[in-house]
Amino acid sequence: AQSVAQPEDQVNVAEGNPLTVKCTYSVSGNPYLFWYVQYPNRGLQFLLKYITGDNLVKGSYGFEAEFNKSQTSFHLKKPSALVSDSALYFCAVRDKAAGNKLTFGGGTRVLVKP
Amino acid sequence: DTAVSQTPKYLVTQMGNDKSIKCEQNLGHDTMYWYKQDSKKFLKIMFSYNNKELIINETVPNRFSPKSPDKAHLNLHINSLELGDSAVYFCASSQGPAGSYGYTFGSGTRLTVV
Repeated sequence: AQSVAQPEDQVNVAEGNPLTVKCTYSVSGNPYLFWYVQYPNRGLQFLLKYITGDNLVKGSYGFEAEFNKSQTSFHLKKPSALVSDSALYFCAVRDKAAGNKLTFGGGTRVLVKP
Repeated sequence: DTAVSQTPKYLVTQMGNDKSIKCEQNLGHDTMYWYKQDSKKFLKIMFSYNNKELIINETVPNRFSPKSPDKAHLNLHINSLELGDSAVYFCASSQGPAGSYGYTFGSGTRLTVV
């Protein structure tokens, strides 16, 4: 089965500093990878995806993610974090062998301090 | 014009009761999903329907029964509610089972069983 892991429960960063949220994946075949963000008491919002093509994927709100096949990673990045980026971030992988469901990582809470 | 709407937003009920959560999407998507988010924010898929056909049925108790009257609606009925059913339930939809364009999530239904 496909899976993703987010090794950090929480990431703290000062406003204006770079933000990185880590994700590693385990898949057979070519991975379809996603990042979602969840603000308090809200549903998940799609940030970006990697299916094929350039390893650097640009998404919403200034976020980008780098697909690294050799390290099986798909880290989410933002060059300059905002206080409003404080939220819960989920990495996900599409499991083609299981009805194409999305399997999510455990989530990483990001806290951006002013 | 909410894309994926769930009702109710909050549901507090006693153990042993039967309750339903409704979900509707106006995106014209073919596939709909139910996810459960537990108190530790872990997200797990429960069911998926594609054009009213059940395509994913994870290991959930038989007390949970999805119903899809048409491809724009996916309801979740829960019988004999238990304390452990307390969670946030998210409905989502995607265009096609591949979900290559990501999912669109509803804002969630917070179920509290007392």
